[in-house]
Amino acid sequence: SQQGEEDPQALSIQEGENATMNCSYKTSINNLQWYRQNSGRGLVHLILIRSNEREKHSGRLRVTLDTSKKSSSLLITASRAADTASYFCATAYAGGTSYGKLTFGQGTILTVHP
Amino acid sequence: GAGVSQSPSNKVTEKGKDVELRCDPISGHTALYWYRQSLGQGLEFLIYFQGNSAPDKSGLPSDRFSAERTGGSVSTLTIQRTQQEDSAVYLCASSGSGSGTGELFFGEGSRLTVL
Repeated sequence: SQQGEEDPQALSIQEGENATMNCSYKTSINNLQWYRQNSGRGLVHLILIRSNEREKHSGRLRVTLDTSKKSSSLLITASRAADTASYFCATAYAGGTSYGKLTFGQGTILTVHP
Repeated sequence: GAGVSQSPSNKVTEKGKDVELRCDPISGHTALYWYRQSLGQGLEFLIYFQGNSAPDKSGLPSDRFSAERTGGSVSTLTIQRTQQEDSAVYLCASSGSGSGTGELFFGEGSRLTVL
């Protein structure tokens, strides 16, 4: 499989704590994206970071990208019970014809306890 | 509509039957993608349509799978002679431009169960 890897596979924390998820990938990329999926629902785009960027913020989300290590991390600060979901990283291959043709990681299941 | 719409939301079929899954993308979006999500394989790209260009079919797992997009809008994914390994959630996504940022807007998916 060409899919990337995410760790941890599952993460359980208390409300108010920070959650960090990591993603590794295999190819040269144009961008890396993070998506959230609530149980039984579709994926929702959270944030996109381009290959020439190292860090990006959006609200309580902070994403870092290290292209030399082919890795990224997603930090959710001050977590809430509503953040409970699966989180996926997805990469767009640099040599691809479409940046929407994504390779997804296996996902991290985040549980935030009230 | 406001978002990507998929139908049916659930489909149970018998092995060997054909199924059709429908996707109605966000109005004005030129790019449309089909992905498959299964327990064993995670999320996999299947096929991509961009405007009037020939579709990128590189992710289709076998020749039993096909898709079309009529009038640059609605798309249908057809699976012929379904097998049990085809059981999965089929997700459709659209974006404003296939060569743009790549941010995808996903539908809720069609859950296919092959008995």
